[in-house]
Amino acid sequence: QSALTQPASVSGSPGQSITISCTGTSSDVGGYNYVSWYQQHPGKAPKLMIYDVSNRPSGVSNRFSGSKSGNTASLTISGLQAEDEADYYCSSYTSSSPYVFGPGTKVTVL
Amino acid sequence: EVQLLESGGGLVQPGGSLRLSCAASGFTLSSYAMSWVRQAPGKGLEWVSGITASGGGTYYADSVKGRFTISRDNSKNTLYLQMNSLKAEDTAVYYCARRTVAGRGFDCWGQGTLVTVSS
Repeated sequence: QSALTQPASVSGSPGQSITISCTGTSSDVGGYNYVSWYQQHPGKAPKLMIYDVSNRPSGVSNRFSGSKSGNTASLTISGLQAEDEADYYCSSYTSSSPYVFGPGTKVTVL
Repeated sequence: EVQLLESGGGLVQPGGSLRLSCAASGFTLSSYAMSWVRQAPGKGLEWVSGITASGGGTYYADSVKGRFTISRDNSKNTLYLQMNSLKAEDTAVYYCARRTVAGRGFDCWGQGTLVTVSS
């Protein structure tokens, strides 16, 4: 049972923007600016998209952005493209463990 | 090219042991904290264990504490995970992952190695 909550699925049409939420508590998401987001295509290793709430690693498209409000972090994908169809996981530092992952969100491009 | 390559996975009986290795190339392992993350078939990601850059600090998920041991040999640019008393629920693809120098994301992942615990 994950300590973080994500929607099971989110969908959008090409060119649209979508937002994936990641809800925790003051002991994880709300208490630290250590939320990361990962993209995983089937059969592949995860890829870091956002770290420390809103920082984008070199090479990641600026269509991906992260934010946080209270106990909820969000990943926004703008200008949705077919290649964005994948599973997305959030992760947070917690008061009891260095890392916890959310259950994942399947993004479908219609 | 920055790369992580896991090895050592396979089929093992319940109660058995296995040691995973993760060879780093294209960067100096000793500069980075590292972790193991696993993914059971069809399931999500689960952080398993982490180790500081020097190896002086180790951390474990409750689900593996007392059974798994993480270590590193910076002279060999290699990370390890010793897994003892394996259970069926440990069946998963195990990834090694490099933590960002600044921040707490994992910016480099191996391709994963499958561990199957079954009789």
